[in-house]
Amino acid sequence: EPEVTQTPSHQVTQMGQEVILHCVPISNHLYFYWYRQILGQKVEFLVSFYNNEISEKSEIFDDQFSVERPDGSNFTLKIRSTKLEDSAMYFCASTTSGEASPLHFGNGTRLTVT
Amino acid sequence: GESVGLHLPTLSVQEGDNSIINCAYSNSASDYFIWYKQESGKGPQFIIDIRSNMDKRQGQRVTVLLNKTVKHLSLQIAATQPGDSAVYFCAETPSGSARQLTFGSGTQLTVLP
Repeated sequence: EPEVTQTPSHQVTQMGQEVILHCVPISNHLYFYWYRQILGQKVEFLVSFYNNEISEKSEIFDDQFSVERPDGSNFTLKIRSTKLEDSAMYFCASTTSGEASPLHFGNGTRLTVT
Repeated sequence: GESVGLHLPTLSVQEGDNSIINCAYSNSASDYFIWYKQESGKGPQFIIDIRSNMDKRQGQRVTVLLNKTVKHLSLQIAATQPGDSAVYFCAETPSGSARQLTFGSGTQLTVLP
């Protein structure tokens, strides 16, 4: 069964550094998402992406965050200057359509900011 | 001191018994609901979904019930197995939202041998 692939599985970075998290969505999917889950808390929406542009973003997704689909298969999340509170699991997800189709999630990247 | 993180509701069932996991949602505009299973160290895994024009949907060993009147969703797992042990989340989204899911706080299901 096709799956969403995320790399790396664990990223450690120092506060103030830039990080890029990588995702390869399922190949025939058109809608892409980033969510995050701080340890012990709910999964939270960050951003949705369709047709090479952001569709929606949450309050968490401030100017420090950006997303990009640099080619036909990758979907990246960049955090420009990491803060301690950015430490979390970051999940990429994709779906075939924007209506009534389930999101399929990757296994996440654990980001630790020290 | 301030509590950090969620205290997940827990449900323990004997292997072979049926499990019922409940979820209350708050957004009356939500029209699509999904149950996810999350095992330790993994991402949410899709189990079953239901649209607001239905009140019941069945899958393999799982059934989702939707009560829009009281904004309540439940997941029933038949003949629970050890591999079902995980955290279960309901998620909701209103129409036209490009599928911005709002997740519930989750229930930890433990299957006892």
